[in-house]
Amino acid sequence: DVKVTQSSRYLVKRTGEKVFLECVQDMDHENMFWYRQDPGLGLRLIYFSYDVKMKEKGDIPEGYSVSREKKERFSLILESASTNQTSMYLCASSLGRSNQPQHFGDGTRLSIL
Amino acid sequence: QKEVEQDPGPLSVPEGAIVSLNCTYSNSAFQYFMWYRQYSRKGPELLMYTYSSGNKEDGRFTAQVDKSSKYISLFIRDSQPSDSATYLCGAHGSGNTGKLIFGQGTTLQVKP
Repeated sequence: DVKVTQSSRYLVKRTGEKVFLECVQDMDHENMFWYRQDPGLGLRLIYFSYDVKMKEKGDIPEGYSVSREKKERFSLILESASTNQTSMYLCASSLGRSNQPQHFGDGTRLSIL
Repeated sequence: QKEVEQDPGPLSVPEGAIVSLNCTYSNSAFQYFMWYRQYSRKGPELLMYTYSSGNKEDGRFTAQVDKSSKYISLFIRDSQPSDSATYLCGAHGSGNTGKLIFGQGTTLQVKP
């Protein structure tokens, strides 16, 4: 089974802090994704990467950056956390071919105070 | 207009009922369609993955795609309380990145 592991289930940070969310997958997937999930808004794509050191902006990249130094690891960075970034963050991965589904981690519930 | 539309519900049914969950989409380029189940405080779990039009069955679950009307359905037979969750539909076209477009999700409650 595909395993996507997010480093923290719950995280509380303060406004202005730099926050790192880590995601690791164990299936040698080329593609990795970061989403945030908010009530009434569904899943929104922040950034994705289809190869090491490659990144593409999703629908809501403002206030975020990402890092993909190794194939199995994809990090989401909140440069200066703000209260409107309080959310559930979900990481996903998929094989590089077009006909493969995404597999999700269990999410990090981030609260910015 | 969102590319994938889904009624958020909530939908409440008695145990044993047949459940029908539906989505519509607007992009004719979509070829791959999927359903995810998400329990509270967990990540989405892939339930069904289909290509183009037609039906796919897996146990009590049947996924149906009608590309002519741009309609995606998930049927759950003999629904159980353990089926209570949020169901997300998704779609994407061809292309290496596999970027998915999701519906908002429908919350289902199956009452014993």
